[in-house]
Amino acid sequence: GAGVSQSPSNKVTEKGKDVELRCDPISGHTALYWYRQRLGQGLEFLIYFQGNSAPDKSGLPSDRFSAERTGESVSTLTIQRTQQEDSAVYLCASSLAFWGAFLDEQYFGPGTRLTVT
Amino acid sequence: ELKVEQNPLFLSMQEGKNYTIYCNYSTTSDRLYWYRQDPGKSLESLFVLLSNGAVKQEGRLMASLDTKARLSTLHITAAVHDLSATYFCAGVRNRDDKIIFGKGTRLHILP
Repeated sequence: GAGVSQSPSNKVTEKGKDVELRCDPISGHTALYWYRQRLGQGLEFLIYFQGNSAPDKSGLPSDRFSAERTGESVSTLTIQRTQQEDSAVYLCASSLAFWGAFLDEQYFGPGTRLTVT
Repeated sequence: ELKVEQNPLFLSMQEGKNYTIYCNYSTTSDRLYWYRQDPGKSLESLFVLLSNGAVKQEGRLMASLDTKARLSTLHITAAVHDLSATYFCAGVRNRDDKIIFGKGTRLHILP
């Protein structure tokens, strides 16, 4: 079956512009996660959704970052007034999940490579 | 606060050799994950280790977990070039079940 998909795969934007990144989770997966991976670094947790609610937004780097999810489907990560330090690969993952959301195996999408010039 | 440390961070090795990647974590973790990431690609789940003494093997890779030592290892047997990738381990933070990743071990296997 289809895995997690993300779009766009690459995005180049000018500093100060807003960008929207999209994630389509695996059908039936109730939990959805966003991570950021800077060049040569490990993964940095940003936010996760259980259904369309976000119990944990603690990883969002600043108030320029926000995320939404429609039901148990698509999620968008929005970065306003982009800065050069926002350049990274943004990875989305989904899992079946129950109340212990992070305990289920996560399936990762291919990522969106964001470059802010 | 759970911290996950991997070593080495970079490893270059010859085909046919054996080697071990170490993953130490600072506080109790309910489970330990290993992922593989090829350059420019996303993460692929390799192993999920659930309990003390757990050992899982797939092909030339074997992962183990020692919860008392707070240590997981990923052992590579008779390495082949196709195993070149970055390997991440990740633990689970008990207070909120958040997955915390290590920085990754970049493995380069020379033909």
